[in-house]
Amino acid sequence: KNEVEQSPQNLTAQEGEFITINCSYSVGISALHWLQQHPGGGIVSLFMLSSGKKKHGRLIATINIQEKHSSLHITASHPRDSAVYICAVPPPEYGNKLVFGAGTILRVKS
Amino acid sequence: DVKVTQSSRYLVKRTGEKVFLECVQDMDHENMFWYRQDPGLGLRLIYFSYDVKMKEKGDIPEGYSVSREKKERFSLILESASTNQTSMYLCASSRQQGFTDTQYFGPGTRLTVL
Repeated sequence: KNEVEQSPQNLTAQEGEFITINCSYSVGISALHWLQQHPGGGIVSLFMLSSGKKKHGRLIATINIQEKHSSLHITASHPRDSAVYICAVPPPEYGNKLVFGAGTILRVKS
Repeated sequence: DVKVTQSSRYLVKRTGEKVFLECVQDMDHENMFWYRQDPGLGLRLIYFSYDVKMKEKGDIPEGYSVSREKKERFSLILESASTNQTSMYLCASSRQQGFTDTQYFGPGTRLTVL
């Protein structure tokens, strides 16, 4: 079992739809990262959160440390949101290491 | 805005060549990282550095070395490139030590070893 699991692996949505991407982890953590990677390779850090909820524009990230689960929501989705979304955690017992999820490939159709 | 730049977007090298990948950040960040990304395997940490002249091995350091002579620059070196090092290489930096601070990524270098 991977320490970090994301679902779904692939997601196709119509423009305007509300989107949820999930991340579950099996290790103890103090923070979780959400990253976005567009075609062409560049990665952008969207959020780093350790509790509760963060919002940036149409993106909302939530985390429940007790349940070891985080979600990334996109409201009013747009084709430019099409990208790979990756969650990553730094388990203290793993030393200096970020464990990455496999990523969720999102395609938003117009 | 933090800017992380990498010396090349695309690079083609021959087996056995010595390859240098350069990364520069302009925000006086303490930490710098080198990752490789392969289909089905995701992002994997090669090396990281938390200070000038300091380095730590990541998950997959074999076949690679690094150099950090100045705070803003972190170089990844493939001493003798091999075909299994064909990959996307991504550099990142963060302000504070450890892995709980936001990481800023460069655009990536797609390396092909023939």
